[in-house]
Amino acid sequence: SAVISQKPSRDICQRGTSLTIQCQVDSQVTMMFWYRQQPGQSLTLIATANQGSEATYESGFVIDKFPISRPNLTFSTLTVSNMSPEDSSIYLCSVGGQGGNEQFFGPGTRLTVL
Amino acid sequence: QKEVEQNSGPLSVPEGAIASLNCTYSDRGSQSFFWYRQYSGKSPELIMSIYSNGDKEDGRFTAQLNKASQYVSLLIRDSQPSDSATYLCAVNGGYQKVTFGTGTKLQVIP
Repeated sequence: SAVISQKPSRDICQRGTSLTIQCQVDSQVTMMFWYRQQPGQSLTLIATANQGSEATYESGFVIDKFPISRPNLTFSTLTVSNMSPEDSSIYLCSVGGQGGNEQFFGPGTRLTVL
Repeated sequence: QKEVEQNSGPLSVPEGAIASLNCTYSDRGSQSFFWYRQYSGKSPELIMSIYSNGDKEDGRFTAQLNKASQYVSLLIRDSQPSDSATYLCAVNGGYQKVTFGTGTKLQVIP
């Protein structure tokens, strides 16, 4: 499986600010995914990021709040904009496996908004 | 809305026993099924994939799939304290869209 890294691993931010999370993969992948895992909850898909096209957002998530970039086949960023305490969560990027069905996750970014 | 349901637990089993984790899903067209293990403070780790009805064994883990009943299970034999974690059931209904259950917390008591 691909090796996935994320930066930062954790951050504490003030309300109203923005944070950009980076996801780097050691091999080229077509699709990258961004998830949110709120405390004690399961994973919720925010959006799917394809290289060379606009990200596809899931219901309840909008581009103004979670802009995503995908400049090449090994890298993506997710920005959490105008943060509020409700955005405190773990944010995870993932990529598909060679079989195309399973997903593998990065180590996650733990965000706390004060 | 596609749903994946799991008992949140905690499920407590003594060391050496068999742990049985269950999952049901709503989308009858789902084709791929996964079990992830998530240790506290860590990201999910894929431990089993299953695509066809029946059992699939990998070491101490056995995944079982029954598409007619829309039911997936994970058996962990000879449970160890290191197996204590939250186990997430996940279902792929197509286009690489994976829906996750809320997870079952497993506690293996030494």
